Amino acid sequence: GDSVTQMEGPVTLSEEACLTINCTYTATGYPSLFWYVQYPGEGLQLLLKATKADDKGSNKGFEATYRKETTSFHLEKGSVQVSDSAVYFCALTPGGSYIPTFGRGTSLIVHP
Amino acid sequence: ETGVTQSPTHLIKTRGQQVTLRCSSQSGHNTVSWYQQALGQGPQFIFQYYREEENGRGNFPPRFSGLQFPNYSSELNVNALELDDSALYLCASSSPWEGQYFGPGTRLLVL
Repeated sequence: GDSVTQMEGPVTLSEEACLTINCTYTATGYPSLFWYVQYPGEGLQLLLKATKADDKGSNKGFEATYRKETTSFHLEKGSVQVSDSAVYFCALTPGGSYIPTFGRGTSLIVHP
Repeated sequence: ETGVTQSPTHLIKTRGQQVTLRCSSQSGHNTVSWYQQALGQGPQFIFQYYREEENGRGNFPPRFSGLQFPNYSSELNVNALELDDSALYLCASSSPWEGQYFGPGTRLLVL
């Protein structure tokens, strides 16, 4: 079946450091790929998405590129802020389906 | 455009009781999904409704049931509550090829 694997956290960084959270997936066909963010005590928010190979999703300084050859969708940001502290979830939906598979989440902690 | 809303925000029940959680989908979305998120875990898919019909179900027992109404709002019902049902329950609505838009969740505590 489909699966999403994320790097284990927590990831701890100082403000203005570079961020990479790795995500790889296993799926048949051509899934759509997503990153969601969950701030403490809140539900999930869609951060960015990519629906086909080589697409780059971006939002709020975060970006991720759909790499079909490496089945990856790594999340990156050039300069993190304390307000970016949250849990980040990578997810996929198989082609033609609305039912996503989520990774286990990666906690990001940014110190001033 | 209104977002996804859920009610109640918090709930405390005892073992064996029944609970109903409610969700209003985002305007224009005809698909609603429900998830259970235990503390420190990713969301686990419970089921999905598309135009009032169940469109997929995860690995949850039959005491988890749902309903979708003609206005695409939805309910999640859980019977015979168990301690392990304590979690954040998330509702999400979606339309073709978009990601899911989540509500803030209902935090259920079973004592």
